[in-house]
Amino acid sequence: EPEVTQTPSHQVTQMGQEVILRCVPISNHLYFYWYRQILGQKVEFLVSFYNNEISEKSEIFDDQFSVERPDGSNFTLKIRSTKLEDSAMYFCASLEAGGLTQYFGPGTRLLVL
Amino acid sequence: KNEVEQSPQNLTAQEGEFITINCSYSVGISALHWLQQHPGGGIVSLFMLSSGKKKHGRLIATINIQEKHSSLHITASHPRDSAVYICAVNYGGSQGNLIFGKGTKLSVKP
Repeated sequence: EPEVTQTPSHQVTQMGQEVILRCVPISNHLYFYWYRQILGQKVEFLVSFYNNEISEKSEIFDDQFSVERPDGSNFTLKIRSTKLEDSAMYFCASLEAGGLTQYFGPGTRLLVL
Repeated sequence: KNEVEQSPQNLTAQEGEFITINCSYSVGISALHWLQQHPGGGIVSLFMLSSGKKKHGRLIATINIQEKHSSLHITASHPRDSAVYICAVNYGGSQGNLIFGKGTKLSVKP
């Protein structure tokens, strides 16, 4: 069964460093999402992406964040200068055209020291 | 502000018990989702509802649009059902982002 994949599974970085989290959505899906979950808290929406542009973003998604679909398969989330409070699990999800259910990747656990 | 509230926050049950987890939301939605999050963190979609009731194996999900309320039931619970169950809603169409509840941590004891 097709699935969303994410790399790396874990990443440790120093405050102020740039990180890129990678996702490979399901191949025929057209809508892509990033969510994050700070330890012990609820999952929060960051950004949605469709037709090569951001369709919606939350107030969390400030100028330090960017997303890209550099080729036909990858969907990336970049955090330009990480802060301690960026430590969280980051989930990618994708949705097919006309679909109703988002499929989630296994997540990347980011720890900023 | 669009909120999703779940209850209870934590639930411990004996194997075989019937379990109910509740979800309420504040404004009209286009769809409601029940998700399961395993201890390792992975999220799996269980149901998407816009009306009525759905059943899959021992899981049943219902939604009352007028009352802005949904329930997830687990019949004949089993220790492998232990997980966090999360309610999430779409406000802006099925392609819109999901707004999540805080989740209900279920532990089923043998």
